[in-house]
Amino acid sequence: DAKTTQPTSMDCAEGRAANLPCNHSTISGNEYVYWYRQIHSQGPQYIIHGLKNNETNEMASLIITEDRKSSTLILPHATLRDTAVYYCIVRGEFNQFYFGTGTSLTVIP
Amino acid sequence: GAVVSQHPSRVICKSGTSVKIECRSLDFQATTMFWYRQFPKQSLMLMATSNEGSKATYEQGVEKDKFLINHASLTLSTLTVTSAHPEDSSFYICSASFRDTDTQYFGPGTRLTVL
Repeated sequence: DAKTTQPTSMDCAEGRAANLPCNHSTISGNEYVYWYRQIHSQGPQYIIHGLKNNETNEMASLIITEDRKSSTLILPHATLRDTAVYYCIVRGEFNQFYFGTGTSLTVIP
Repeated sequence: GAVVSQHPSRVICKSGTSVKIECRSLDFQATTMFWYRQFPKQSLMLMATSNEGSKATYEQGVEKDKFLINHASLTLSTLTVTSAHPEDSSFYICSASFRDTDTQYFGPGTRLTVL
């Protein structure tokens, strides 16, 4: 079962920052938080992952709370091509990924 | 880097036939590969985990005799759907990871339609 909960859907204006929250209150000390996105009828695309420090790459930033029970993915300047379903994942005992329902992000022109 | 391919991208078959889907890691050695299934408007469901050279571990409710998984090399895993039925029609996606990392890299998926 997925260890994360996310809002079902969100809208964001093009050019604005998209902030996607995720709760993972049962995360244990050595488990990473992963973010992927899936554009319709394609395989999921890796975005970013982190353990406890904030992370940034060319796609996004990941902010993890100090107690690690939640995190936020930030797309700094959303474009129409960022419209997708975003999944926050904490791996299972044997490195499996159990996907939750994700957040369907719609970027509005 | 970390590119995963799947073949075929689409397949249509008759009920009762078997279908093989290939998953390849193109630029890295995948010690572990995963197979997922996704029905329309639903999330990905993990079917099985396979490590190179050993038997796959199936998730609860997934029939191992129906979904045969082979991971014979560090770059190739195959999923064979045996005696396919219309309810097996779905989007099948594989992913691969390499030693010492949990990051999974996903293939583009295979759309299976069983008539």
